[in-house]
Amino acid sequence: DSGVTQTPKHLITATGQRVTLRCSPRSGDLSVYWYQQSLDQGLQFLIQYYNGEERAKGNILERFSAQQFPDLHSELNLSSLELGDSALYFCASSSLYNEKLFFGSGTQLSVL
Amino acid sequence: GESVGLHLPTLSVQEGDNSIINCAYSNSASDYFIWYKQESGKGPQFIIDIRSNMDKRQGQRVTVLLNKTVKHLSLQIAATQPGDSAVYFCAEGSGNTPLVFGKGTRLSVIA
Repeated sequence: DSGVTQTPKHLITATGQRVTLRCSPRSGDLSVYWYQQSLDQGLQFLIQYYNGEERAKGNILERFSAQQFPDLHSELNLSSLELGDSALYFCASSSLYNEKLFFGSGTQLSVL
Repeated sequence: GESVGLHLPTLSVQEGDNSIINCAYSNSASDYFIWYKQESGKGPQFIIDIRSNMDKRQGQRVTVLLNKTVKHLSLQIAATQPGDSAVYFCAEGSGNTPLVFGKGTRLSVIA
């Protein structure tokens, strides 16, 4: 158990819908990262937050947004969903900036 | 753009043999490297990491080698076991940039 909690584990929705993925980092970790993993791609970095502030942005679509709350949990919001958004979404946390990441077990998103 | 890549997408080894998984990186500014193991249905799990001021680091049954001259990273697993079957990812990072992951190598252990 990495200590990183992600909910829900599975999410099935329709095109055009909006979903929210939730992540609780390891106790004491200030950094939260979101990654997307699809079959034909590796782990693609989406966005990072550090102590509530956005720190780095990767290949995140404009339809996607995220935030980190004062209690350090984070949410990833995906809107106007398309079939191609179907993927595994991982949250990771770290205690130091860009050090060893601890990953949650992911949310499997299926857009039908 | 610069990226981390893997030489082989799949690797099959006999149980008990040693496994070597290779990774090439292209960002000469990278100073931190890390290996992850991902089993089916699970999130990536940390195996071992190494900084650019080292060329070798050992863990339990695993060794990471870093060759900065040719920008090459490898993960050696001694006495490979069926439980080692998984996808292995290398990743690189530096200073203020988030870790960049390679596409992964699937290791299959033949009993």
